[in-house]
Amino acid sequence: AQKVTQAQTEISVVEKEDVTLDCVYETRDTTYYLFWYKQPPSGELVFLIRRNSFDEQNEISGRYSWNFQKSTSSFNFTITASQVVDSAVYFCALSDSYSGAGSYQLTFGKGTKLSVIP
Amino acid sequence: DADVTQTPRNRITKTGKRIMLECSQTKGHDRMYWYRQDPGLGLRLIYYSFDVKDINKGEISDGYSVSRQAQAKFSLSLESAIPNQTALYFCATATSDRSSYNEQFFGPGTRLTVL
Repeated sequence: AQKVTQAQTEISVVEKEDVTLDCVYETRDTTYYLFWYKQPPSGELVFLIRRNSFDEQNEISGRYSWNFQKSTSSFNFTITASQVVDSAVYFCALSDSYSGAGSYQLTFGKGTKLSVIP
Repeated sequence: DADVTQTPRNRITKTGKRIMLECSQTKGHDRMYWYRQDPGLGLRLIYYSFDVKDINKGEISDGYSVSRQAQAKFSLSLESAIPNQTALYFCATATSDRSSYNEQFFGPGTRLTVL
């Protein structure tokens, strides 16, 4: 069965510190897709990145970077020089051909709440 | 205008009332989903639909029903609301196009409180 584990429930950092949010996934499929979403206090889900299982290149977008390692089934997210505006709940999600018996649903982790203290 | 809209955005109701949450999309996507978010639990799938004639239960469908009135509209109903259905509800859409990465596009959410 598909599973996404975000072991860090809550993290607090002081502004300008770097922080890494962990995501470990389980899937029996060879083709799958991974996502990160940000949920600010206002509640909406903001798409951050998608990655397919055949593309193991790490990605950097401004202060954000993602480290995808198939060998450890991990897709970790790092924020460099954190800012107060980064305070939010961050979700990692997985979708594959077996998700929900063909529903292609997103299987979400339980989220990591990040608080950046000024 | 937003591609995926949800109405209402906030709703407070009483136990036993019938509630309908509506979702509309202008993305032309064939797949639509309803998820529920509870604090500390992430999002869980309630129902999904791959086209107007196709409705499927997700992992937590008990107490809910849906209607796909058109390709662009997917409504979620709580026939008799109960307090543990208090949650944040999200609608999402996706295309069956293989190049889509199974990416889903989310509405802004509906915050429902059942007293």
